[in-house]
Amino acid sequence: KAGVTQTPRYLIKTRGQQVTLSCSPISGHRSVSWYQQTPGQGLQFLFEYFSETQRNKGNFPGRFSGRQFSNSRSEMNVSTLELGDSALYLCASSPRGGTNYGYTFGSGTRLTVV
Amino acid sequence: AQSVTQPDIHITVSEGASLELRCNYSYGATPYLFWYVQSPGQGLQLLLKYFSGDTLVQGIKGFEAEFKRSQSSFNLRKPSVHWSDAAEYFCAVGPAGDKLIFGTGTRLQVFP
Repeated sequence: KAGVTQTPRYLIKTRGQQVTLSCSPISGHRSVSWYQQTPGQGLQFLFEYFSETQRNKGNFPGRFSGRQFSNSRSEMNVSTLELGDSALYLCASSPRGGTNYGYTFGSGTRLTVV
Repeated sequence: AQSVTQPDIHITVSEGASLELRCNYSYGATPYLFWYVQSPGQGLQLLLKYFSGDTLVQGIKGFEAEFKRSQSSFNLRKPSVHWSDAAEYFCAVGPAGDKLIFGTGTRLQVFP
């Protein structure tokens, strides 16, 4: 059974650009969550999608957005990149979302903004 | 608001020694509690979780954790550490049906 796949693994972007990250959940999982991990702030929740609908949202500016497709794959977009957006972005999939069902994490996308 | 505190930023142990990583949480009801491990450059791997029932839970790789409601703690233990256990460990809490809230992590270093 394939795990959670995140692409690309590494990304370098310039300030002001935009970026799209992709996450393919475990087959059959309908919930995808995104987290940002930085040395200063730790792991912070961005948003969760379930059946193509955003179900929960963290405290991030509107430059951070996401979507989920009918096959449960999810994309996360960051517009007008800032240096502080440099981070490891982790995707987690769950059968139905919520802590009671558990989350499986991908290996992450390392974004560097220069 | 829910929160998780991991008081130890960095712990160093010798291979073969016992290990205890501390985790304290703040939550109004009985929370769902988790321990994850992260190796450098990798994602998070679930070690164990507590939802209800027996307060001593067994996980993978020989780890266990004990839920103590009176102390609002969920400490992770391992009787004998292996060099491959060197990694960062995260405690997390989450109410049912909601997102995970992570602690700041404890980096474990293992000396031969």
